[in-house]
Amino acid sequence: EAGVAQSPRYKIIEKRQSVAFWCNPISGHATLYWYQQILGQGPKLLIQFQNNGVVDDSQLPKDRFSAERLKGVDSTLKIQPAKLEDSAVYLCASSQAGSGVLTFGAGSRLTVL
Amino acid sequence: GIQVEQSPPDLILQEGANSTLRCNFSDSVNNLQWFHQNPWGQLINLFYIPSGTKQNGRLSATTVATERYSLLYISSSQTTDSGVYFCAVDQGGKLIFGQGTELSVKP
Repeated sequence: EAGVAQSPRYKIIEKRQSVAFWCNPISGHATLYWYQQILGQGPKLLIQFQNNGVVDDSQLPKDRFSAERLKGVDSTLKIQPAKLEDSAVYLCASSQAGSGVLTFGAGSRLTVL
Repeated sequence: GIQVEQSPPDLILQEGANSTLRCNFSDSVNNLQWFHQNPWGQLINLFYIPSGTKQNGRLSATTVATERYSLLYISSSQTTDSGVYFCAVDQGGKLIFGQGTELSVKP
């Protein structure tokens, strides 16, 4: 079984620029999550999708962050404009509907200069 | 919101030693999971353990939901056990992570 795929693995941008991250979950996993992990901290949930609908986006800074999962499969997380404090690893995870057992991708490390 | 506290924050072991990591949480939860984040950043699910005890090789975990804590035991530690161990609790369908315990196993 293929794992959760994420790209790019690393990205360096200047503040006020934009960036997009892509995630392809495990086949058949209906639930997809985006987490933000700042250095030295535990992951924090940004947004959770069930198929192509949003379940929870209460901690997503909606003035600059957006995410979509148009066909209920892969997903894109966008940041525009980026701030210095957005430097973090962005983790995508997926799970079978209702299982609660998450499988994480390798993450996308963002550095904002 | 719910508070998830892990202890100790850091731990250094000699290869072959045993250790216990603790996770306290401040409210009732639907379930609890333990993860290992290796030095390359990959998060691996170790246990899904809302209550009771589970074992997987040299690792075991116990959750006492009524007393709001969970323990992760690592026996005969190996250098490959190094990394950060997180507990995460599910409250209302949202997985909330603790700050982690950073484990370093020396040869």
